[in-house]
Amino acid sequence: NAGVTQTPKFRILKIGQSMTLQCAQDMNHNYMYWYRQDPGMGLKLIYYSVGAGITDKGEVPNGYNVSRSTTEDFPLRLELAAPSQTSVYFCASSSRGQGASMSTEAFFGQGTRLTVV
Amino acid sequence: AQKITQTQPGMFVQEKEAVTLDCTYDTSDPSYGLFWYKQPSSGEMIFLIYQGSYDQQNATEGRYSLNFQKARKSANLVISASQLGDSAMYFCAMRGGFTGNQFYFGTGTSLTVIP
Repeated sequence: NAGVTQTPKFRILKIGQSMTLQCAQDMNHNYMYWYRQDPGMGLKLIYYSVGAGITDKGEVPNGYNVSRSTTEDFPLRLELAAPSQTSVYFCASSSRGQGASMSTEAFFGQGTRLTVV
Repeated sequence: AQKITQTQPGMFVQEKEAVTLDCTYDTSDPSYGLFWYKQPSSGEMIFLIYQGSYDQQNATEGRYSLNFQKARKSANLVISASQLGDSAMYFCAMRGGFTGNQFYFGTGTSLTVIP
């Protein structure tokens, strides 16, 4: 079971460079998410998608872009990398919330540790 | 607006003792789910336990139980018989909103189990 796969695991970028963080899931989940995790700050939502072709901003979208051309893939694009984007990035996926109490959990990838220097 | 609050940045517990990690939440939605995740030092996010807003009984999963007090908007995680492998960050999360599109996370509690 692959689950949610993120690549790369580690990356060092120079200020102003661009890159794409890849995320793929094989569970046929409609919902996909990108979070960033900074020390002591928990997980903050960058973007999310409820299905192919549909994306929406989360809490901290500035400096990022996403696309969702297929159910399986949800890449995150960093344009003009800045030191403030140094963080650990998690991709997650979930099926639609089950029943009235939203019972379906999110499944996470292994994370990408990004350093911008 | 949805918000999750974890007020304990760090906790220590003796091995084999029980420990409670606090979580309070704020939402105006009648339907929501509450989740706890464990993040060991290796970094992955591991789902532990779920509680639904309409569930009458507290959720349990092995050594994990969730003390759900709806009126107080709290969803504390209880770990019984702590083990050294329980040392990790623990995050409380809520899934809610009209469509249940988003998960909201707290800032986490770092648990250290002392031998």
